[in-house]
Amino acid sequence: TQLLEQSPQFLSIQEGENLTVYCNSSSVFSSLQWYRQEPGEGPVLLVTVVTGGEVKKLKRLTFQFGDARKDSSLHITAAQPGDTGLYLCAGFGNEKLTFGTGTRLTIIP
Amino acid sequence: GAVVSQHPSWVICKSGTSVKIECRSLDFQATTMFWYRQFPKQSLMLMATSNEGSKATYEQGVEKDKFLINHASLTLSTLTVTSAHPEDSSFYICSVRDRSFYGYTFGSGTRLTVV
Repeated sequence: TQLLEQSPQFLSIQEGENLTVYCNSSSVFSSLQWYRQEPGEGPVLLVTVVTGGEVKKLKRLTFQFGDARKDSSLHITAAQPGDTGLYLCAGFGNEKLTFGTGTRLTIIP
Repeated sequence: GAVVSQHPSWVICKSGTSVKIECRSLDFQATTMFWYRQFPKQSLMLMATSNEGSKATYEQGVEKDKFLINHASLTLSTLTVTSAHPEDSSFYICSVRDRSFYGYTFGSGTRLTVV
């Protein structure tokens, strides 16, 4: 079974601060995705990283895929209240998507 | 990505009854759909892979006789929770792997409450 551990599990910070969420596994994935989920809704894809060491930017969000394709990080710069939500990493392998344990982020105005 | 519609968005049923949840791919013919379950404050757990025209593939620990999956067409997969019990109360979400190689689109989910 491929497991993806996210840290921290919960994070509450002030508006304007920076933060990093980590996604770690002992398994290698062919690609890794980050999703954001609002309460009562399905997850929405933010980014897909494919190549080891790859870095992608989406406005204030920076995503990195580890060199060995076992881990990833999400860095948010100058967090805003609209960034509040559940962030999920998900690894693709064995023809299916396995989700991480999730990070619940709260940005305090 | 694909457009996925899930229905109903919420349902309350009595213990012992069965509930059917529909997942439709509105603009894409999906040979494969996925069903996930999410308990409060937890992540998504894959229950099964729904294959058009053939039997679903269930993940370890998921009872196939309790969670019946039917994928009779390229645009519709259904999940039926049979003889529902309160412990089946959860958020059920379907997804479609769309045209792009890495793209997954998720439905808006169904909140099932068994009383």
